[in-house]
Amino acid sequence: AQTVTQSQPEMSVQEAETVTLSCTYDTSENNYYLFWYKQPPSRQMILVIRQEAYKQQNATENRFSVNFQKAAKSFSLKISDSQLGDTAMYFCAFSRRRDDKIIFGKGTRLHILP
Amino acid sequence: EAQVTQNPRYLITVTGKKLTVTCSQNMNHEYMSWYRQDPGLGLRQIYYSMNVEVTDKGDVPEGYKVSRKEKRNFPLILESPSPNQTSLYFCASSLRGWNTEAFFGQGTRLTVV
Repeated sequence: AQTVTQSQPEMSVQEAETVTLSCTYDTSENNYYLFWYKQPPSRQMILVIRQEAYKQQNATENRFSVNFQKAAKSFSLKISDSQLGDTAMYFCAFSRRRDDKIIFGKGTRLHILP
Repeated sequence: EAQVTQNPRYLITVTGKKLTVTCSQNMNHEYMSWYRQDPGLGLRQIYYSMNVEVTDKGDVPEGYKVSRKEKRNFPLILESPSPNQTSLYFCASSLRGWNTEAFFGQGTRLTVV
């Protein structure tokens, strides 16, 4: 069975700092898809970044980037120049294919401090 | 505006009183799903649908029903709610499947007393 583990329940960093959120997963599949979703206090879940396992290049979206280590089954999210609006719960997620469910980690609550 | 709309956003009800949480998407998505979010447990899938009249159980389907009579709507039905169904519920949809971006509703906070 696929599992997703986020080992940091809560983190706090100062505004403008860089922060890295950890995620590990377990699967026997060779091809799959990984995601980071953000849930701000408004509760709206928003896709931050997506990575396809067969692509070696790490995905980036503006200040957000991932460090995808396939052999180690690790998928960390780096937020550069953090902003107050980055305060949110962040979920790491996994899916094997389009008709398979999304499996979510338990989340990391991130506080950006002024 | 492309969106997934859930109603109501907040609901307090009593044990055993049937309720329905509606979900509607205006993006012509084939894939729809319901999740519940509980502290320390993340999001867990309740039911999902890959097209009209096609639904299947997720990880925690007990006590819930769904239907998909139209592509845009995917209501969640609690026939006899119990306190352990107190949770935050999310509806999600996707155009090409769960390996692509999922769009979420704003959540329904349900309290069963």
